[in-house]
Amino acid sequence: QVQLKESGPGLVQPSQTLSLTCTVSGFSLTSNSVSWVRQPPGKGLEWMGAIWSGGSTDYNSALKSRLSISRDTSKSQVFLKMNSLQTEDTAIYFCTGPLGARYWGQGVMVTVSS
Amino acid sequence: DVVLTQTPSILSATIGQSVSISCRSSQSLLDSDGNTYLYWFLQRPGQSPQRLIYLVSNLGSGVPNRFSGSGSGTDFTLKISGVEAEDLGVYYCMQATHAPWTFGGGTKLELK
Repeated sequence: QVQLKESGPGLVQPSQTLSLTCTVSGFSLTSNSVSWVRQPPGKGLEWMGAIWSGGSTDYNSALKSRLSISRDTSKSQVFLKMNSLQTEDTAIYFCTGPLGARYWGQGVMVTVSS
Repeated sequence: DVVLTQTPSILSATIGQSVSISCRSSQSLLDSDGNTYLYWFLQRPGQSPQRLIYLVSNLGSGVPNRFSGSGSGTDFTLKISGVEAEDLGVYYCMQATHAPWTFGGGTKLELK
């Protein structure tokens, strides 16, 4: 049974770094990709980036300079790190995969505020 | 980056009415492997998105057959044949042919 679960801090101060973890079960990260998607309050979905089965990554062009996605295959975890956070980064952050975003986590709400 | 334009942005329907949502891409979504990586999702209020359609026209597991997808190249359509109350929410198309993946702006389906 495939499951994804996001975890991380609910509140981050402006200019600080966001660190989120996606813990997956039911599939292998060495054979499947995982993406991060975010959704600001009341707005649409934004694909942030992905880590592919071979370990390479791709990022949203607008976030590329601030974003890093990595993984620990032994722990079935995918990590998101984004620096220089601003209030407009306030959003629900989802991880999704494999097979073309077939499965989604429940999301984690991150608020950027002092 | 590929831009996906969804129309309409808001769709008002009565129960039982058939409706369609359009998703137009700024470039062809036909991949060199012969597949077209165009997906449709429904996000109900307060929930995570749910994948309805994959590879343009394939129905996801457990998705009712009143949903159907069609199209090719740059023009795609999601049709609901007989809207039910549980179908209300926001629909998104997404392309995964070209990196970075991108979503359409969304179409909100509401009751008339």
